[in-house]
Amino acid sequence: ETGVTQTPRHLVMGMTNKKSLKCEQHLGHNAMYWYKQSAKKPLELMFVYSLEERVENNSVPSRFSPECPNSSHLFLHLHTLQPEDSALYLCASSQDVGAPGELFFGEGSRLTVL
Amino acid sequence: GNSVTQMEGPVTLSEEAFLTINCTYTATGYPSLFWYVQYPGEGLQLLLKATKADDKGSNKGFEATYRKETTSFHLEKGSVQVSDSAVYFCALSDILTGGGNKLTFGTGTQLKVEL
Repeated sequence: ETGVTQTPRHLVMGMTNKKSLKCEQHLGHNAMYWYKQSAKKPLELMFVYSLEERVENNSVPSRFSPECPNSSHLFLHLHTLQPEDSALYLCASSQDVGAPGELFFGEGSRLTVL
Repeated sequence: GNSVTQMEGPVTLSEEAFLTINCTYTATGYPSLFWYVQYPGEGLQLLLKATKADDKGSNKGFEATYRKETTSFHLEKGSVQVSDSAVYFCALSDILTGGGNKLTFGTGTQLKVEL
């Protein structure tokens, strides 16, 4: 198993659909993250969970809803999205103690909103 | 707030050429600095890091020195290979109060290395 696994790798959805992105980490880390990567823009931090508690919510629209049921799993629930939400969504994890700033990323879920 | 500025790409080099990708930052306090690399179709991977002024991070022939006086962290490699073709991201790190890290990224610089 690779360190951080994201599913699905590709997702196409209409504006009225509801879907979820899943992330699983096998590294024993205690923090997990969602980032949005759009062309020509810096990576945007969306949410941070530490020890399953949300510690950062970066002014993300409510049509994105995160869930962290345990320290190994992170979900991003999507509903009534807009075409401008099309992007690569990256999940990452880190171990707070000993290596600050060292995030391990998954390969991303490429989302297209029609 | 914190910000990172990188040189725009794409940067196209011949194999064995010298590489420099410029990165400057604005931050309060003394953040840690990072270079991440993203190969085609993959997520980001940590390439190297420096946690305090004058530290030099190095990995796979790449180097970067944390220059507090010029607020810079430029990435260099003496001789690039085709396999180095990727997008390179400069980033700085804050520790969040509740735990976890907040990485602020630059826009990324695409490097293409040709034979």
